[in-house]
Amino acid sequence: QVTLKESGPVLVKPTETLTLTCTVSGFSLSNARMGVSWIRQPPGKALEWLAHIFSNDEKSYSTSLKSRLTISKDTSKSQVVLTMTNMDPVDTATYYCARMLLWFGERMDVWGKGTTVTVSS
Amino acid sequence: DIQMTQSPSSLSASVGDRVTITCQASQDISNYLNWYQQKPGKAPKLLIYDASNLETGVPSRFSGSGSGTDFTFTISSLQPEDIATYYCQQYDNLSVTFGQGTKLEIK
Repeated sequence: QVTLKESGPVLVKPTETLTLTCTVSGFSLSNARMGVSWIRQPPGKALEWLAHIFSNDEKSYSTSLKSRLTISKDTSKSQVVLTMTNMDPVDTATYYCARMLLWFGERMDVWGKGTTVTVSS
Repeated sequence: DIQMTQSPSSLSASVGDRVTITCQASQDISNYLNWYQQKPGKAPKLLIYDASNLETGVPSRFSGSGSGTDFTFTISSLQPEDIATYYCQQYDNLSVTFGQGTKLEIK
């Protein structure tokens, strides 16, 4: 069974750096047909893609947030880590990680339940 | 970046109705278009991939079509459990973009 679980702080202060971890099970981060994406959703708003990473360590970032994001993976720990610097109240959102299946296209076929992050002093 | 324009933003329909949502890309994306369903308080769920392929386990009343810049998502006969927000999502080699979502309600 494929699962993904997000973890990280519930509350961060403005200007701080957010570090989120996605722990996966049921598949390997070294599988060439799979990757992991991070997506966020502010309260009552639409989904926003943030970044993704593939088995060959290829990475891609949202153009608007690229300067603030870093994605990395530890295959041995089955974890993908996203850091976002200089947090602001507008970054308050539920953050999801999702598996990207690269087979006959590219899609986010399994999602974690999400973790809610509030940015406030 | 490729922009996705999804419409309508909200929709009210009756059980049994045929429901259609459209998504327009700002440039040609071939068939690189997926559709997701999100129920309140839950993570999104993949329904359709590559514009028209039904994800395993998804009811056949859901379907998708289109290529290039114009795409359509259809529920052939609306069921009460289909109440959710639906998102289109494009992908290319460099980035991913979601549409703004369509909130579907029962009339």
